[in-house]
Amino acid sequence: GAVVSQHPSWVICKSGTSVKIECRSLDFQATTMFWYRQFPKQSLMLMATSNEGSKATYEQGVEKDKFLINHASLTLSTLTVTSAHPEDSSFYICSARGLAEYNEQFFGPGTRLTVL
Amino acid sequence: GQNIDQPTEMTATEGAIVQINCTYQTSGFNGLFWYQQHAGEAPTFLSYNVLDGLEEKGRFSSFLSRSKGYSYLLLKELQMKDSASYLCAAYDSNYQLIWGAGTKLIIKP
Repeated sequence: GAVVSQHPSWVICKSGTSVKIECRSLDFQATTMFWYRQFPKQSLMLMATSNEGSKATYEQGVEKDKFLINHASLTLSTLTVTSAHPEDSSFYICSARGLAEYNEQFFGPGTRLTVL
Repeated sequence: GQNIDQPTEMTATEGAIVQINCTYQTSGFNGLFWYQQHAGEAPTFLSYNVLDGLEEKGRFSSFLSRSKGYSYLLLKELQMKDSASYLCAAYDSNYQLIWGAGTKLIIKP
């Protein structure tokens, strides 16, 4: 099956700093990538949908100026958490979907962010 | 509104069979997914149903009834490694994936 990688796997940072998370589709072109956040023992929460070459669409309640998403190529999307605070500590997961809308989403392994 | 319902938690015995149900209400429908998620890991794809009926894949099978807005995931010959959360998700008419909250499956020896 298709492979999606995320980097880093985990990161610890100080409050007020920015953290960039990369999501790559390794063996297919992903026109659409999704960013999710998951708090302990809770379900996946979609943060935003990004299409290659266009601005991301954010879900209600997600601050676009805080969570910057760039989808510059068909194989790479980045999420930057700006001025991170302890409440941003969470498990961030990206997924990628191929060219057809009906394609399933393939998930990256996730990035665990801890903000001190 | 759009909604996916599935039980919060289920318990089963190693070697047994368990069925996890999912009902959905979406604006249009373009298929239903089941994902498995182990604690601390990202979800992994299990199955996709868009037509009515049963899809069998090894120990796991998934069933869909579009007229009833209903699906189930059937796990046979349960193993301890099957302890995980099982997520039901449906594509609406715009191919937006609507997620259920997940069913935590606990396998006991």
